[in-house]
Amino acid sequence: NAGVTQTPKFRVLKTGQSMTLLCAQDMNHEYMYWYRQDPGMGLRLIHYSVGEGTTAKGEVPDGYNVSRLKKQNFLLGLESAAPSQTSVYFCASSQSQGGWDTQYFGPGTRLTVL
Amino acid sequence: AQKVTQAQTEISVVEKEDVTLDCVYETRDTTYYLFWYKQPPSGELVFLIRRNSFDEQNEISGRYSWNFQKSTSSFNFTITASQVVDSAVYFCALTPYNTDKLIFGTGTRLQVFP
Repeated sequence: NAGVTQTPKFRVLKTGQSMTLLCAQDMNHEYMYWYRQDPGMGLRLIHYSVGEGTTAKGEVPDGYNVSRLKKQNFLLGLESAAPSQTSVYFCASSQSQGGWDTQYFGPGTRLTVL
Repeated sequence: AQKVTQAQTEISVVEKEDVTLDCVYETRDTTYYLFWYKQPPSGELVFLIRRNSFDEQNEISGRYSWNFQKSTSSFNFTITASQVVDSAVYFCALTPYNTDKLIFGTGTRLQVFP
């Protein structure tokens, strides 16, 4: 039981390049989330999904897209990376709606955009 | 407004000292959930505790204890006899009822020196 895993762990991009971050969970959770963590700002929600085939915007969705084609996977895409997207990205999952159940986090992906 | 404030940016203590991390929250909901997460230097986010708004009993788990007071909108976290392994960033978070959002504070960095 690996919990929540994220691929890759580190990535360096040049401005304008694209990439996809992969999140996988093996807990059969319905809900999945993508956050970014910036110094002094805590974690902020980018997008989330309440089930396979669904996605919704969070607090800071601009510049990102997501897809949830399979229940266990949640992909975060950057179509044209910008230096402002340099951050640590965390994926999380929970069995039910945020408050009723605990969100469990992956190990994070450190992204640098030059 | 829904908000979590962790006014202490950084705390330094010497091993075996007791330390309290403050968390003050704002919400108009009468039902909500509060969380504490630990982020050690390795970077992952570790769930510590979840508390719902109807349960004001204090919680103790080993050297950790939590004091929830609705009257002051606070959910403080105390570590007794701190150890070097307690060095981490600690986040307090809030989920208002029936939402999918986990609202994080900006975190408190705790450094425990031997």
